Amino acid sequence: QTVVTQEPSLTVSPGGTVTLTCGFNAGTVTPNSFSSWFQQKPGHAPRALIYSTRNKYSWTPARFSGSLLGGKAALTLSNVQPEDEADYYCLLYSGGGYFFGTGTKVTVL
Amino acid sequence: QITLKESGPTLAKPTQTLTLTCTVSGVSISTIGVGVGWVRQPPGKALEWLGIIYWDDDKRYNPSLNGRLALMKDTSKNQVVLRVTNVDPVDTATYYCTHINTNNEDFDYWGQGLLVTVSS
Repeated sequence: QTVVTQEPSLTVSPGGTVTLTCGFNAGTVTPNSFSSWFQQKPGHAPRALIYSTRNKYSWTPARFSGSLLGGKAALTLSNVQPEDEADYYCLLYSGGGYFFGTGTKVTVL
Repeated sequence: QITLKESGPTLAKPTQTLTLTCTVSGVSISTIGVGVGWVRQPPGKALEWLGIIYWDDDKRYNPSLNGRLALMKDTSKNQVVLRVTNVDPVDTATYYCTHINTNNEDFDYWGQGLLVTVSS
């Protein structure tokens, strides 16, 4: 069974930088995993932030960036703002199916 | 501007078949490269991918649902229908439909979601 693991929670100070990771239990994340990232605030639908590892949408703030790091997908939030407090989910593509991560709760404190 | 909206019952009884509809605006679901997917989220839990139907009517399902899912398109109404058979209280969740750009496998646009409760 494919499991995609993320850090359960991370805390960051306003103006700081934090990196979230997303890994497969079955192997490494590659460009062919088409990793994407979503932000979800309470009571709202997820909002897409990053696709195909590092590509941004027109609505994605510049302080969000995606990459591959040590065999995992990564989302880096720079110059963190209070409004970045949210749950973040990654999504990986493998073998014709899609797998969401377990989610990371980011607290800005 | 692509928008999606889920509709259907908000309450279902165990063993029933749940039928949800996603109405898509701003793009034809028959356009090459377009997929429409379904994702659900039990209260307080993580997102779970359920399935995707492609512009050419190809379909993929999450195998963990053990064959209980069926997707179909109504191109005349630009809608996608999800059927979940033999529902159980564990199927209680907010159900989202999403537009998928299959060239990049990206879930760019999402509906607002529909909370469905399964209870006797």
